Amino acid sequence: NAGVTQTPKFQVLKTGQSMTLQCAQDMNHNSMYWYRQDPGMGLRLIYYSASEGTTDKGEVPNGYNVSRLNKREFSLRLESAAPSQTSVYFCASSEMGQGTNTEAFFGQGTRLTVV
Amino acid sequence: KNEVEQSPQNLTAQEGEFITINCSYSVGISALHWLQQHPGGGIVSLFMLSSGKKKHGRLIATINIQEKHSSLHITASHPRDSAVYICAVDPSGGGADGLTFGKGTHLIIQP
Repeated sequence: NAGVTQTPKFQVLKTGQSMTLQCAQDMNHNSMYWYRQDPGMGLRLIYYSASEGTTDKGEVPNGYNVSRLNKREFSLRLESAAPSQTSVYFCASSEMGQGTNTEAFFGQGTRLTVV
Repeated sequence: KNEVEQSPQNLTAQEGEFITINCSYSVGISALHWLQQHPGGGIVSLFMLSSGKKKHGRLIATINIQEKHSSLHITASHPRDSAVYICAVDPSGGGADGLTFGKGTHLIIQP
């Protein structure tokens, strides 16, 4: 019963470095999401994927790219990390698109620090 | 964009107390979620509701669609209930906007 698995759990990057956050779900969900969580703010949507092969920008997409590799996996890439991207990142999935009254399942989060 | 406000932001209570956390939103929604986040941990879904009331163990969630307001209650609170409780709303009519989240309520239950 893994649910949503994110890797890594912690990462420190230097400004300008790149990295990919991995996310996989084993619940056969169609929709997957990447959020970031910053102190004093609610979670904000970075990117969304309604199904394999489709992705859409969320509220804060700048500086990020995503890939929906298959139905299970949705990765988030930082091409050139900036200190403003220091945050906790959460991957989530749901059976259908949000707005259709379906429960969302979240990963354990990735704590990223950019120095 | 829906504005989601939670109150209180911080709450410290003694073990056994009845706890209430409130959530209000500005625009009509299709559903509201209550989530729990333990320190350093992931986010767990507690409830999803679009009307009325739901109960799970010592947790009760209610929603009033007309007043755009929801409450999360914890009866007989216990130190293990210490966590951040997050309210999130689904936009009405669906779409790709994802959930809109409140800033969370940081709850500490002291023994």
